[in-house]
Amino acid sequence: AQKITQTQPGMFVQEKEAVTLDCTYDTSDPSYGLFWYKQPSSGEMIFLIYQGSYDQQNATEGRYSLNFQKARKSANLVISASQLGDSAMYFCAMRDGLSGGYQKVTFGTGTKLQVIP
Amino acid sequence: NAGVTQTPKFQVLKTGQSMTLQCAQDMNHEYMSWYRQDPGMGLRLIHYSVGAGITDQGEVPNGYNVSRSTTEDFPLRLLSAAPSQTSVYFCASSYGQGLYGYTFGSGTRLTVV
Repeated sequence: AQKITQTQPGMFVQEKEAVTLDCTYDTSDPSYGLFWYKQPSSGEMIFLIYQGSYDQQNATEGRYSLNFQKARKSANLVISASQLGDSAMYFCAMRDGLSGGYQKVTFGTGTKLQVIP
Repeated sequence: NAGVTQTPKFQVLKTGQSMTLQCAQDMNHEYMSWYRQDPGMGLRLIHYSVGAGITDQGEVPNGYNVSRSTTEDFPLRLLSAAPSQTSVYFCASSYGQGLYGYTFGSGTRLTVV
């Protein structure tokens, strides 16, 4: 079973609009972390935002926010006021496994976001 | 502060050849991992290490070996290259096993012909 599911292979958004990238996860561990990474066409992986399973509030980092719905096991990334430079591949990832030993980080298959001028 | 350094950036191998992808970090991170990235499949974990002398297998370990003799270095060895190992390889590190994000290297694009 997929641990991290990103159902949107590609998305378009108009410049200056907000966009939500979906991510659902599956784990039985009570302690886990959720991450979003950006991969521009240049190929590097850039850490954007982190949410811990025990965090009471949704994480925010500048124009990025993570809409964490624990009961639904979703961790959607919201990008506000999209910019042309936001065009990239976005990966959701989860770190879990503490109860079973060493933690591992599992990535989704990614969503390619294209911002239209 | 160099972060995570991967070498080489590009490599072409013939089927059956062996090689080592190098990864070094200067942040005193305990946790290091190797991933491969293939189109439509995201990043898949090959091997990881939680400290010097400790390594474990990830999701796709076959055909790869790792060792961790120092905190700084975590090389990935391809034992006998196959075309199925054509991929982009990323090394990543983080501080401890806690809920920390990774710092990634710039990647190695490997082609096996």
